[in-house]
Amino acid sequence: AQKITQTQPGMFVQEKEAVTLDCTYDTSDPSYGLFWYKQPSSGEMIFLIYQGSYDQQNATEGRYSLNFQKARKSANLVISASQLGDSAMYFCAMRPASGGSYIPTFGRGTSLIVHP
Amino acid sequence: DAGVTQSPTHLIKTRGQQVTLRCSPISGHKSVSWYQQVLGQGPQFIFQYYEKEERGRGNFPDRFSARQFPNYSSELNVNALLLGDSALYLCASSFYQSTDTQYFGPGTRLTVL
Repeated sequence: AQKITQTQPGMFVQEKEAVTLDCTYDTSDPSYGLFWYKQPSSGEMIFLIYQGSYDQQNATEGRYSLNFQKARKSANLVISASQLGDSAMYFCAMRPASGGSYIPTFGRGTSLIVHP
Repeated sequence: DAGVTQSPTHLIKTRGQQVTLRCSPISGHKSVSWYQQVLGQGPQFIFQYYEKEERGRGNFPDRFSARQFPNYSSELNVNALLLGDSALYLCASSFYQSTDTQYFGPGTRLTVL
């Protein structure tokens, strides 16, 4: 069984500063993908960044980077230069890539509030 | 290009009724997944369809069913609605069924009274 743990229910950050959102996972699948999504109050899930379990380098997408530590089973999201529009819920998710079952698992989310 | 679209946006039903939610994937995407998100939690996987066949099912009762049409659009049906079915229902599409990135629609907010 897969499990995603996001231990920070809420985070606060000052505008223009960097923030790290934590995500740990547990899986027995040898191959998997890790995702981060942003969910504003409107409800739509917005894809941010993807990391494959066999990728050698940490993924980056603009101001978003994923700090992937495979041995520790962690996939933390780093947002640099926070903006007011970054205030939202953030979800970490995982999907196995082998075994014929691609059922994804989401964490409970972290609420991020960016202060001016 | 248009993103994933869902209809209706909001829906109010009473206990025992049946509901059908609709989803159109991004053009070219062949896989559609359905999720239920109750307040304060992450999305819970309900179904995945790829090339019109069910490829995954989450831990939901048989009251939940879905199908995918030849044009890759999809419907989610829920029978005998319960108060606990009140949630945001999200549809996501991807090109393949594996670790391809899923892109989500705006969701349908279902309220059961």
